[in-house]
Amino acid sequence: QLVLTQSPSASASLGASVKLTCTLSSGHSSYAIAWHQQQPEKGPQYLMKLNTDGSHSKGDGIPDRFSGSSSGAERYLTISSLQSEDEADYYCQTWGTGIDVVFGGGTKLTVL
Amino acid sequence: QVQLVQSGAEVKKPGASVKVSCKASGYIFTSYAMHWVRQAPGQRLEWMGWINAGNGYRKYSQKFQGRVTITRDTSASTAYMELSSLRSEDTAVYYCARGPVSHWYFDLWGRGTLVTVSS
Repeated sequence: QLVLTQSPSASASLGASVKLTCTLSSGHSSYAIAWHQQQPEKGPQYLMKLNTDGSHSKGDGIPDRFSGSSSGAERYLTISSLQSEDEADYYCQTWGTGIDVVFGGGTKLTVL
Repeated sequence: QVQLVQSGAEVKKPGASVKVSCKASGYIFTSYAMHWVRQAPGQRLEWMGWINAGNGYRKYSQKFQGRVTITRDTSASTAYMELSSLRSEDTAVYYCARGPVSHWYFDLWGRGTLVTVSS
């Protein structure tokens, strides 16, 4: 069974950078994922699709401050020059035959 | 403008059914898949199923199999999600989300529809 693991919370200062991690369970390190942002009291917004090799395709209008990278079973979302509006929940999500669609538990990012 | 517009909030009694609509605009409806995802209060996102808006192929999460029906009306560029035998645990915000047919990720989300199940 494929499980996506995310830290429940993260924090960083205004203007700094933060790297969020999504870990694919054992035996599933070849899966691509997608990152989604959910600001308080809003619906999710697609950020990017992130491939195993670290290549990624971002959604329309997503700032260059958001980038993705991969290493083994880990998928990362890096947000640079943090702004107050980046305070949100961040979910990773993957998919595949036999696993359907799986979401991580989300990381709540606090901008200090 | 590319967007998904969902129907309004619903209040239902246990045992009833609810049907939520999702109208697409600004893109070719039949070129994409439409998924339904829900989020109970304080919980993670949960995938319910999807429909290929072009050929109508559907697949549901095992958890909802037998209770959920996803349909689409291509003439209206609208997808629907009907959930039956509602219980209090089905109280959640229900989202439609567009994605490519070949990869099940979501590149456009609706704003959500709150469904409250209460006696």
